[in-house]
Amino acid sequence: EAGVVQSPRYKIIEKKQPVAFWCNPISGHNTLYWYRQNLGQGPELLIRYENEEAVDDSQLPKDRFSAERLKGVDSTLKIQPAELGDSAVYLCASSPREGAQSGYTFGSGTRLTVV
Amino acid sequence: SQKIEQNSEALNIQEGKTATLTCNYTNYSPAYLQWYRQDPGRGPVFLLLIRENEKEKRKERLKVTFDTTLKQSLFHITASQPADSATYLCALDRTGANNLFFGTGTRLTVIP
Repeated sequence: EAGVVQSPRYKIIEKKQPVAFWCNPISGHNTLYWYRQNLGQGPELLIRYENEEAVDDSQLPKDRFSAERLKGVDSTLKIQPAELGDSAVYLCASSPREGAQSGYTFGSGTRLTVV
Repeated sequence: SQKIEQNSEALNIQEGKTATLTCNYTNYSPAYLQWYRQDPGRGPVFLLLIRENEKEKRKERLKVTFDTTLKQSLFHITASQPADSATYLCALDRTGANNLFFGTGTRLTVIP
């Protein structure tokens, strides 16, 4: 099995430009998560989906960030416009519905650099 | 909000020794505590999970303990090898929240 697939692996953009990240979770995993990881820190949750429903987006900066999970499978995370402080690694993870009891599977992440 | 502290930013040990990493938390007691390994440029990889009613869990050379009174988990790697060098993250989940909070991680280096 391919695992959680994310693209692109790296992205460099100028501030104020838009950017989008894509995630394909493990087949059959109902729950999908987007995390942001700053250098030297642990991942921080941005949004969690149960199937196609965003059930926890309390940490998502909604003025510039948006996400969608159409048909409850693939997901995209968008930033518009990007700011210098958005430079980080954006990680996607998936799990069965009760992921806390079974562990999450993470993708390799997208490293975003805003210049 | 939950605060998670992992004992040190970096830990160096000699090959063959036992590495012990600490995870301390405040506020609510989690229903589950998980440990992950993260290599540079990669996403975290799930290693072990321990429930609040379990004291200890083992998997090959790995052992996790969970003390809800001390609000602490210890993660041990016995007979450590250079290939064990990585950053290790602990993560907590509240009952029913299905939302993991991660610590900042401890970077382990096993010296040959």
